[in-house]
Amino acid sequence: GESVGLHLPTLSVQEGDNSIINCAYSNSASDYFIWYKQESGKGPQFIIDIRSNMDKRQGQRVTVLLNKTVKHLSLQIAATQPGDSAVYFCADCTSGTYKYIFGTGTRLKVLA
Amino acid sequence: DADVTQTPRNRITKTGKRIMLECSQTKGHDRMYWYRQDPGLGLRLIYYSFDVKDINKGEISDGYSVSRQAQAKFSLSLESAIPNQTALYFCATSKPNTGELFFGEGSRLTVL
Repeated sequence: GESVGLHLPTLSVQEGDNSIINCAYSNSASDYFIWYKQESGKGPQFIIDIRSNMDKRQGQRVTVLLNKTVKHLSLQIAATQPGDSAVYFCADCTSGTYKYIFGTGTRLKVLA
Repeated sequence: DADVTQTPRNRITKTGKRIMLECSQTKGHDRMYWYRQDPGLGLRLIYYSFDVKDINKGEISDGYSVSRQAQAKFSLSLESAIPNQTALYFCATSKPNTGELFFGEGSRLTVL
C-alpha cells in the first residue's frame, strides 16, 4: 500500500448506490490480495481475497478486481447500506511468505 | 468469548517504562502477528511468528521485541517506551493456506 499522510481518504456514497474503493500496491512480487473492513472500535475483518491468476472475484454484494499491469485493485460494493460504513483496507502478500502488508485505508461514509 | 484476546485494552504509561502487550488465541492457528495502527498510516506489521521457534521482523520492528511463549500466546514488548509509540496495537492469527487474518480488539497504548 501507499502512504497518503495523516488524512484518510474518504468516499461518501448515497445509500443504495454502488461503491468503488481503490488500492494501489507497490510490490511486484505480491500475488495474493485481500480486502478488510474495520468498523469503529473493532479490529479489521476479512471481506474477500483474490489470487494473481484471477482478475475478478465475486462475493455476496462485493466484487474485487485486480489489474496486475498497473498494480491496482478495487473493491466494489453493490447497493451500499448504512452498515457498510467503515474503513476499508487492502493487503497484499507474496505466496509462501505469509507476510501481509496493509494499505493506508479508505473511509466509506454511507449517506441516508 | 473472543477468539483472539488482547490485554490490556488500554494503557497509559510514561517515557522509558517497559510495557508488555499480551495476546492469546483459542483458534489453534500457528501464525500470529502484531500490527500497529496510526491515523492515516493504516496497519504496519511489527513482528510475526509461524510457530514458537519462528519469529520474524516486520516493517517496523525497531523498538519492539516479541515472545512466542506457546502456540496460543504471542507477546509484544516495548523495552523503553517513547511517545511516538503511542498507537493502537492489534494482534492477529491466520488460518493455514489463506490470507484471512483474525484480529483481536486492539490495545490502545499512550506514552506520555
